[in-house]
Amino acid sequence: EIVLTQSPATLSLSPGERATLSCRASQSVGSYLAWYQQKPGQAPRLLIYDASNRVTGLPPRFSGSGSGTDFTLTISSLEPEDFAVYYCQQRFNWPPITFGGGTKVEIK
Amino acid sequence: EMQLAASGGAVVQPGGSLRLSCAASDFSFNDYSMHWVRQVPGKGLEWVSLISWDGYTTYYADSVKGRFTISRDISNNSLHLQMNRLRNEDTALYYCAKDRGRGHWNPHFDYWGQGTLVTVSS
Repeated sequence: EIVLTQSPATLSLSPGERATLSCRASQSVGSYLAWYQQKPGQAPRLLIYDASNRVTGLPPRFSGSGSGTDFTLTISSLEPEDFAVYYCQQRFNWPPITFGGGTKVEIK
Repeated sequence: EMQLAASGGAVVQPGGSLRLSCAASDFSFNDYSMHWVRQVPGKGLEWVSLISWDGYTTYYADSVKGRFTISRDISNNSLHLQMNRLRNEDTALYYCAKDRGRGHWNPHFDYWGQGTLVTVSS
């Protein structure tokens, strides 16, 4: 089973600041990594698939990068609606399909 | 707009059974694999099961294998999860989710239902 480790667990930032979220895989997942955003009381929402592809309509301030075992989700300038929990997920080697433990981006 | 609506969650005793459903609308349901993903409130996401677009192939997490059965009904665009021999640790919000791949595997989840809560407690 591929284990995804996200860091930091919590990121305290102010609106307008840059957020850098990390996801590290226990073995290579190629580029088969996605990022999701989840707000309280809502289902997760796909943001990025296959490491760097933004879903249709996603603001360009969101970007994904990386390959192999190290991946990054960057939010270039935080908007108030971006404060949420973010999860990474791999589809390289499954079952099981696995998720990281999440990074909470909170308002400082 | 593409929609998934999960239902069937309830409070059930350990050892009991429950059947979850997910109604799909406004997309070609028969062309996509579907998944169940669960989340203990306040915790992370756990993939539970997958069924292929044609219904012939299924996969399960080890934690539910032999107890849960995923199925789909193409006549009414619905997905189901039969949950037997439920345990306290199955308590979670269960989401149905659509696979990105059309006619093939691509398990990133581009649409999610709102979730249905299963509570296993005596």
